[in-house]
Amino acid sequence: EAQVTQNPRYLITVTGKKLTVTCSQNMNHEYMSWYRQDPGLGLRQIYYSMNVEVTDKGDVPEGYKVSRKEKRNFPLILESPSPNQTSLYFCASTLLGRGDGANVLTFGAGSRLTVL
Amino acid sequence: QKEVEQNSGPLSVPEGAIASLNCTYSDRVSQSFFWYRQYSGKSPELIMSIYSNGDKEDGRFTAQLNKASQYVSLLIRDSQPSDSATYLCAVNSGGSYIPTFGRGTSLIVHP
Repeated sequence: EAQVTQNPRYLITVTGKKLTVTCSQNMNHEYMSWYRQDPGLGLRQIYYSMNVEVTDKGDVPEGYKVSRKEKRNFPLILESPSPNQTSLYFCASTLLGRGDGANVLTFGAGSRLTVL
Repeated sequence: QKEVEQNSGPLSVPEGAIASLNCTYSDRVSQSFFWYRQYSGKSPELIMSIYSNGDKEDGRFTAQLNKASQYVSLLIRDSQPSDSATYLCAVNSGGSYIPTFGRGTSLIVHP
């Protein structure tokens, strides 16, 4: 089954304790992206990657890191989490291109993170 | 700054009615337009994509695109309570694969 898999789905942690949210896709997609979603603010892009070893900042990158060493994986790293990073996080991927059907994002199930 | 605007709602319609969701965008060179549905606490899923002016129908859903006026809309005919969700509009500019999302419109279909 074609899918984007995120782990963990739920996590409660404390301020300053480094954590990694993993994201893996099995569709050979070039493009991968991380979003956070907060009430009233919609989906905000954190980082994205156009291909292996190519990453770029989105709209809200502060406090986050990413890496893209393999095409299928795009982990999100919070080096020193703070309470304002409490949010619902989504990973998404797509096949890049032009024309009908291209650039449709497939989302993971989401990771709900609470930082105390 | 590319912007995609949606009325946050909630839009409340009775079962069986037509729900009309609207989205405006600021980047004139936008070329790809998407509607995603998101149930509370779940991930967004694609409902419709549209790339050229006019209407595109898929079952009870119709997407309408007017590039001259820079708006895209989603019509849901014969609305069902199961359609109650947040609908996200997303727009890709011509030179970018990166979508810009609106904040979403909450739709409530009441029996």
